[in-house]
Amino acid sequence: EDQVTQSPEALRLQEGESSSLNCSYTVSGLRGLFWYRQDPGKGPEFLFTLYSAGEEKEKERLKATLTKKESFLHITAPKPEDSATYLCAVQANGGSQGNLIFGKGTKLSVKP
Amino acid sequence: EPEVTQTPSHQVTQMGQEVILRCVPISNHLYFYWYRQILGQKVEFLVSFYNNEISEKSEIFDDQFSVERPDGSNFTLKIRSTKLEDSAMYFCASRPGANVLTFGAGSRLTVL
Repeated sequence: EDQVTQSPEALRLQEGESSSLNCSYTVSGLRGLFWYRQDPGKGPEFLFTLYSAGEEKEKERLKATLTKKESFLHITAPKPEDSATYLCAVQANGGSQGNLIFGKGTKLSVKP
Repeated sequence: EPEVTQTPSHQVTQMGQEVILRCVPISNHLYFYWYRQILGQKVEFLVSFYNNEISEKSEIFDDQFSVERPDGSNFTLKIRSTKLEDSAMYFCASRPGANVLTFGAGSRLTVL
């Protein structure tokens, strides 16, 4: 069964304290791995797509990396406005495009 | 920036009642989706829709659910006879040919 597991469930950081979020996946062939940000009461907001092991993408303080079994979302010198739940999702070979399997997310809190 | 619009933002209904959730996808997008998120749980795929027909549906999307694109702009999710376990946040999403979903802000459904 295709599965996505994110860790930790929650992460508290001080402003400026860098860290990483983990997304482990088990799928029958990876077509793509996606990172989304979700603010309370809102829909997921797209951050990155990664397609193959070794690929990296960056956006401001965020950097996503991909290996054959997991992805990391690195947050460098976070600010309070980075506080949100970060969702990882995969698209597997068995599903159509847009059929994403999500993890439960990591809730990030950044204190000033 | 174009966005996916969902109405209502919150609906409260009695068990057994019919509910219609509405979505206006981004105008040049071709593929439409419904996802749901039960409180504290993962975002789950329900159904994908392309060229006026369902292209894929999950096990959750049983005979109580239906989708429709009644005109050139709206995309609706109907639940015929709501159950307590249908209480969730329902997200509409759309995409152009590219493989990135844009999600709406969601419709919170509370079944009493």
